[in-house]
Amino acid sequence: DAGVIQSPRHEVTEMGQEVTLRCKPISGHDYLFWYRQTMMRGLELLIYFNNNVPIDDSGMPEDRFSAKMPNASFSTLKIQPSEPRDSAVYFCASSLDGGINEQYFGPGTRLTVT
Amino acid sequence: GNSVTQMEGPVTLSEEAFLTINCTYTATGYPSLFWYVQYPGEGLQLLLKATKADDKGSNKGFEATYRKETTSFHLEKGSVQVSDSAVYFCALSGSSNTGKLIFGQGTTLQVKP
Repeated sequence: DAGVIQSPRHEVTEMGQEVTLRCKPISGHDYLFWYRQTMMRGLELLIYFNNNVPIDDSGMPEDRFSAKMPNASFSTLKIQPSEPRDSAVYFCASSLDGGINEQYFGPGTRLTVT
Repeated sequence: GNSVTQMEGPVTLSEEAFLTINCTYTATGYPSLFWYVQYPGEGLQLLLKATKADDKGSNKGFEATYRKETTSFHLEKGSVQVSDSAVYFCALSGSSNTGKLIFGQGTTLQVKP
């Protein structure tokens, strides 16, 4: 398996623009997670899905952020409008099920909003 | 709620030195415990895990023992290498099997030759 795939790997955009980050989880994994990592705040869980259904979105910073999982092999995280403080590395991870099974992380998308 | 506390970094060691990174947790029930490692420019990857009290997880020379009496899961390695330079995250899973992991803030390790 190719692992968790994220695109793009790098994104540079101007404040106010819409940004869409994409993730393909490992086939057969039931859970998908979106994280954000910054120097100031460390690693934060934004939202996670189980069987394509959002379970906990309490980490989504504000209404500018939205996430979808239309099917088991694809998820998006959208920021509209983007702001400079959204600059971070965004990781997608998937796991076979909850609890003791490990999460597999993608390589991340480095977002820079100018 | 559940939480994880790691020792603050950065930790700077010379090659072949002994490593300890402290991790303590607060949780209800019987969580599983994990150490993840993040190499520069990469995503996190599982280093080792333990699923019940007194279990020892080990991988690549790293070890950690699940200590319920002290609510700790300290990471150790007897002889570090330059290639071990990375950020290390301690994490725990909820005992109610929510699928969610709670991560510590991460500890940066720098090993000098």
